[in-house]
Amino acid sequence: EAGVAQSPRYKIIEKRQSVAFWCNPISGHATLYWYQQILGQGPKLLIQFQNNGVVDDSQLPKDRFSAERLKGVDSTLKIQPAKLEDSAVYLCASSFGRQGLSSYNSPLHFGNGTRLTVT
Amino acid sequence: AQKITQTQPGMFVQEKEAVTLDCTYDTSDPSYGLFWYKQPSSGEMIFLIYQGSYDQQNATEGRYSLNFQKARKSANLVISASQLGDSAMYFCAMRESKGAQKLVFGQGTRLTINP
Repeated sequence: EAGVAQSPRYKIIEKRQSVAFWCNPISGHATLYWYQQILGQGPKLLIQFQNNGVVDDSQLPKDRFSAERLKGVDSTLKIQPAKLEDSAVYLCASSFGRQGLSSYNSPLHFGNGTRLTVT
Repeated sequence: AQKITQTQPGMFVQEKEAVTLDCTYDTSDPSYGLFWYKQPSSGEMIFLIYQGSYDQQNATEGRYSLNFQKARKSANLVISASQLGDSAMYFCAMRESKGAQKLVFGQGTRLTINP
């Protein structure tokens, strides 16, 4: 099966510019996640979608970050305007999960990530 | 709130030796899942092994096994017969059964296998 697809692989922008990342999950996976991984740290969940609805966005800096998952398949994450501290790898992941069914025993499958550098 | 702790920032092991990577967790949910991921220098996160809170036996997957001690809230990863390709970051993570069931990661351990 095809894995989680992400683009671009690398992005360099100046502070105050905007940037967008794209993710296409594994076919049939209802749950999609965006993580931020700062160098030397574990990934931190930014936002979690179940189909096209937001399940958790408690750690998403909503003044500058936004995400959408139209039609419940692929997703975009946007940063506007970017700050120096946004430099990180942005990982997209998906897992099998259906509304109303517990899926805490399902692993997440990750894409290769987008490495963002803000100068 | 759920929490994962990995206390070993780095580990150095000789090739072919076994290595144990430590992980402790904290949760008030009786139902949860524990995961280990490998992240090579190329950056992708590779799922290695899973242990459920109600599983009676320790999980095993090839050279990977999980030493699950529920009362101690620990879930250590054991890699047997280490290989040079095992050099990577290793992350312990947990999903609770309640709420959003989000996957929360520890800080990771960098494992280096020496020839």
